[in-house]
Amino acid sequence: DQQVKQNSPSLSVQEGRISILNCDYTNSMFDYFLWYKKYPAEGPTFLISISSIKDKNEDGRFTVFLNKSAKHLSLHIVPSQPGDSAVYFCAANRGADGLTFGKGTHLIIQP
Amino acid sequence: GAVVSQHPSWVICKSGTSVKIECRSLDFQATTMFWYRQFPKQSLMLMATSNEGSKATYEQGVEKDKFLINHASLTLSTLTVTSAHPEDSSFYICSARRTSGTGASYEQYFGPGTRLTVT
Repeated sequence: DQQVKQNSPSLSVQEGRISILNCDYTNSMFDYFLWYKKYPAEGPTFLISISSIKDKNEDGRFTVFLNKSAKHLSLHIVPSQPGDSAVYFCAANRGADGLTFGKGTHLIIQP
Repeated sequence: GAVVSQHPSWVICKSGTSVKIECRSLDFQATTMFWYRQFPKQSLMLMATSNEGSKATYEQGVEKDKFLINHASLTLSTLTVTSAHPEDSSFYICSARRTSGTGASYEQYFGPGTRLTVT
């Protein structure tokens, strides 16, 4: 039973445009959500997070939106840059628990 | 910063032997560290939570006698894969959460991972 779902295995976006990565979750007990960027054979790099009491958090080019009623969150990257090409993982947890990850979305930024 | 290191970065061992992987938080204290495993083209799966000074808690389906975890200090956790078999070959990643002092938060910072191949 997958509690965190990323339904798009890959996404291709033109450089300079907006990249939108989506994530859905089923466990209503999750209270913290995070996005990580990962390259093959490397550990994930933390990008941005959001608490369940908020609906938006912004950090530079990255913005995360949370819709609790829909159990949905999204990561917006604008403008997209070639260096953004990587696998992006959505993760969630409750309190101080370990993270539950989605399967990832491979973002490809085309020049 | 929040840097987490792992050693070794890759290891090849023979079936039946044991392998120890170290995870260190270099510039912060972490009373809690986590161990994850990632199979090819799969997501990261939480294996266990490592708590400084106490026993680790394991996720369902993870054998605690096979994956021994020791959290000896606020900056070091070790994972020992005992009697390794080819099916244990995987990418093992640790993370640490800054749990005390300035900047304590829920973000987890990950190590670079350890590629284990059991022949």
